[in-house]
Amino acid sequence: DVKVTQSSRYLVKRTGEKVFLECVQDMDHENMFWYRQDPGLGLRLIYFSYDVKMKEKGDIPEGYSVSREKKERFSLILESASTNQTSMYLCASSLWFTSGQETQYFGPGTRLLVL
Amino acid sequence: TQLLEQSPQFLSIQEGENLTVYCNSSSVFSSLQWYRQEPGEGPVLLVTVVTGGEVKKLKRLTFQFGDARKDSSLHITAAQPGDTGLYLCAGVLRPSNTGKLIFGQGTTLQVKP
Repeated sequence: DVKVTQSSRYLVKRTGEKVFLECVQDMDHENMFWYRQDPGLGLRLIYFSYDVKMKEKGDIPEGYSVSREKKERFSLILESASTNQTSMYLCASSLWFTSGQETQYFGPGTRLLVL
Repeated sequence: TQLLEQSPQFLSIQEGENLTVYCNSSSVFSSLQWYRQEPGEGPVLLVTVVTGGEVKKLKRLTFQFGDARKDSSLHITAAQPGDTGLYLCAGVLRPSNTGKLIFGQGTTLQVKP
């Protein structure tokens, strides 16, 4: 079974702190994604990566950065956390795009509260 | 504005009832996926539909992709409490060279015993 793990299930941080969210997948997938999930808005793509050291902006990249130094690991960084970044953060991975039908496998999510 | 509009956003029904969730867009999609998410977990893929007019069945769940590939529906027959969860549709726009998924807002389903 594909496994995507996220470093924390719950995090509480203060405004202005630097926050690291880690994601690891064990299926040798090329693609990895970071989403945030807010009620009524579904999942919105923050960043994705299709290879080591490669990254592409998603729909809402402002205030975030990412790092992919190894194929299995994709990190999301909040440079200076703000209260409007309180949300559920979901990491996902998939095989390289070949048919447009690739399944995305999700981690359990990190619920982040910024005070 | 949402590229994929899901309706209804909330649904609370009694066990044994039937229901349909809709996913609509003005854009054409290469494929459309349905995910289900339980509290405290990430979404899990239920099905992918690829061909316009395609119908797929998964036990009591029936998924349909519109002929024009702009919409999809999920029909649940005789809902059970175990069907409770958040249902998300997601599609890959045509054309796309990235395979990025566009998600709908989600439908929260509660099935009462």
